[in-house]
Amino acid sequence: NAGVTQTPKFQVLKTGQSMTLQCAQDMNHEYMSWYRQDPGMGLRLIHYSVGAGITDQGEVPNGYNVSRSTTEDFPLRLLSAAPSQTSVYFCASSTTGTGAYEQYFGPGTRLTVT
Amino acid sequence: GEDVEQSLFLSVREGDSSVINCTYTDSSSTYLYWYKQEPGAGLQLLTYIFSNMDMKQDQRLTVLLNKKDKHLSLRIADTQTGDSAIYFCAEGTGGYNKLIFGAGTRLAVHP
Repeated sequence: NAGVTQTPKFQVLKTGQSMTLQCAQDMNHEYMSWYRQDPGMGLRLIHYSVGAGITDQGEVPNGYNVSRSTTEDFPLRLLSAAPSQTSVYFCASSTTGTGAYEQYFGPGTRLTVT
Repeated sequence: GEDVEQSLFLSVREGDSSVINCTYTDSSSTYLYWYKQEPGAGLQLLTYIFSNMDMKQDQRLTVLLNKKDKHLSLRIADTQTGDSAIYFCAEGTGGYNKLIFGAGTRLAVHP
């Protein structure tokens, strides 16, 4: 199993450009999520999905769109990049249900917006 | 709202014990987690504790939970240079798998 994969690893955008961060998992996990990591602020949830066709907003959704057409893929779209979106982005997946469960994280995408 | 706080840095000597502390605000949290992030990598689950437990031990790791004070700690015995990383405390709150993370504690291990 590859686990959770993210592409690209690094990206530089100019203000106003758009792009899609890719995330895929091969563990048949229902739950997938996107976080951003900023210095001194930990991880903040952007959007999440509990299955194909179902998405919802997290703590900091503004400026980002998501869709979930398959169980495996959960892309994050930046429609018009802003310098405030400079961050490291992590995708994570896990099973759903009750009880404790492990979230599996991808290696991250480091995005710089100039 | 929900909040998780941690100190930002901890420096220990190799072979000593490390204690990383965390406080949280949501008393309805069911599970509390410790994740480890090595340089340039994503987070990996280290251990977790159910909210009705006081302590959990897992090899060199000991988790203590004081639910009354909403205080969580992670003790690493015989700390090694390979333990140098950022450690995140997280609480499981709300539905599904949403987690609230602290800012992370950077552990530096020196000889």
